[in-house]
Amino acid sequence: KAGVTQTPRYLIKTRGQQVTLSCSPISGHRSVSWYQQTPGQGLQFLFEYFSETQRNKGNFPGRFSGRQFSNSRSEMNVSTLELGDSALYLCASSLNFGTDTQYFGPGTRLTVL
Amino acid sequence: ELKVEQNPLFLSMQEGKNYTIYCNYSTTSDRLYWYRQDPGKSLESLFVLLSNGAVKQEGRLMASLDTKARLSTLHITAAVHDLSATYFCAVDQITARQLTFGSGTQLTVLP
Repeated sequence: KAGVTQTPRYLIKTRGQQVTLSCSPISGHRSVSWYQQTPGQGLQFLFEYFSETQRNKGNFPGRFSGRQFSNSRSEMNVSTLELGDSALYLCASSLNFGTDTQYFGPGTRLTVL
Repeated sequence: ELKVEQNPLFLSMQEGKNYTIYCNYSTTSDRLYWYRQDPGKSLESLFVLLSNGAVKQEGRLMASLDTKARLSTLHITAAVHDLSATYFCAVDQITARQLTFGSGTQLTVLP
C-alpha cells in the first residue's frame, strides 16, 4: 500500500506570496492532519480534517487554512507569506478521526525569501 | 495546556551501550507515541502505548508507559550506528485530537 504523498517536496517563495501544499493520504484513510516543523518551535499541530470538515485547529494565524476533498486528499494554503513560515510541513493520515496511529508523509520544505 | 518534555535533547553514545530517553507529559493522555526521524526525512512510527504499564519492544528499542507518573521511556539496548536519528515522543488526547510533540532527542551512536 502506498504511503502518504505530499507535493511539491520543495518550494521557494518570497514574502507576501501565497502557497498551496497538497497531501494524498494512505488509501482508505479518511483523516488528514497537518504539522509545521521548525528548528525553533519544533513540531506543531496546524489542523485536522475528516469527512471534508476541519475537526480541530492549532494555534496558528488565519493565514493558514486548509481543506479536504471528497477523496480525502487535502490541501493547505498559506497566504501573505512571512519569513517565519519557512519550515517543513508534514501531512499525516489515519484511518478515522479520533483513533489510530497517524502516518506521516515525506513533507514539503518551504523556504520564504 | 498539554506540555511534553523530553530529555536529554542530545545524546552521544558508544556502540554496544545502553541508554534511556525520558518523556514527561503534563496532563492525562489517551495515547503516547514514539517516532523516529532521520535527517531530512519524515517521521516513522515506532510505538503506540495505550495503557498504564504498556511495554513494547522492537529490536534494540523498548518503550514503556507509566500513566500515573505521566512518564514514558524509550530504552536502547546495545546501540548500533543505524539507530542514530532524532526520536520524538508525542501525546494524543482524543478530546483534543492533536499530537503534541516533545522537542526530540538527537541520538548519535559512535563507533
